[in-house]
Amino acid sequence: QKEVEQDPGPLSVPEGAIVSLNCTYSNSAFQYFMWYRQYSRKGPELLMYTYSSGNKEDGRFTAQVDKSSKYISLFIRDSQPSDSATYLCAMSGGGLQGAQKLVFGQGTRLTINP
Amino acid sequence: DAGVIQSPRHEVTEMGQEVTLRCKPISGHDYLFWYRQTMMRGLELLIYFNNNVPIDDSGMPEDRFSAKMPNASFSTLKIQPSEPRDSAVYFCASSRELATTYEQYFGPGTRLTVT
Repeated sequence: QKEVEQDPGPLSVPEGAIVSLNCTYSNSAFQYFMWYRQYSRKGPELLMYTYSSGNKEDGRFTAQVDKSSKYISLFIRDSQPSDSATYLCAMSGGGLQGAQKLVFGQGTRLTINP
Repeated sequence: DAGVIQSPRHEVTEMGQEVTLRCKPISGHDYLFWYRQTMMRGLELLIYFNNNVPIDDSGMPEDRFSAKMPNASFSTLKIQPSEPRDSAVYFCASSRELATTYEQYFGPGTRLTVT
């Protein structure tokens, strides 16, 4: 079993829909939770960052972490065609070195249809 | 800032040949990471350096892979000899040690095809 599980999709939704992306994990030592966005033929870029449990909102994006269930989510409101990309969850443990060692999910390919 | 620079962007080589991938991290960043991305396995960390010193190479698949960081502005990932199963996109990333987040900045990647 992988440390981080993410449904690879693909996921296709109409413009304006609410999108929900999820990851589960097995390592209880993970403390830092991130979502990266990767456009086709590009490197991943950090989208959201959360430490420990809770919610974080940034514009149309909301990240949720439930450490008790080992489950994280990313919600995209009022989705736009420009949101079409692969979304990767990433996690890391505590301590300076541990926090730097990211474990990525498989990535979910998302398409927003105009 | 120019961002993380990787070269070459594309590499096609024959099985058995030596391949060298190059990376220039963002100036002032203390950490450098090498990743490999495939459809089957996703994005995997191969090795990372802190202040030019290798910290964790547990992700390096086998002895055919080696990485060096001779100075703060340059790193190489070498595959010798290369095999078709090494075909993947290889990313280099860098980050700062003293930061509010542990954001890693990725380069554009090197697409390697081994025939």
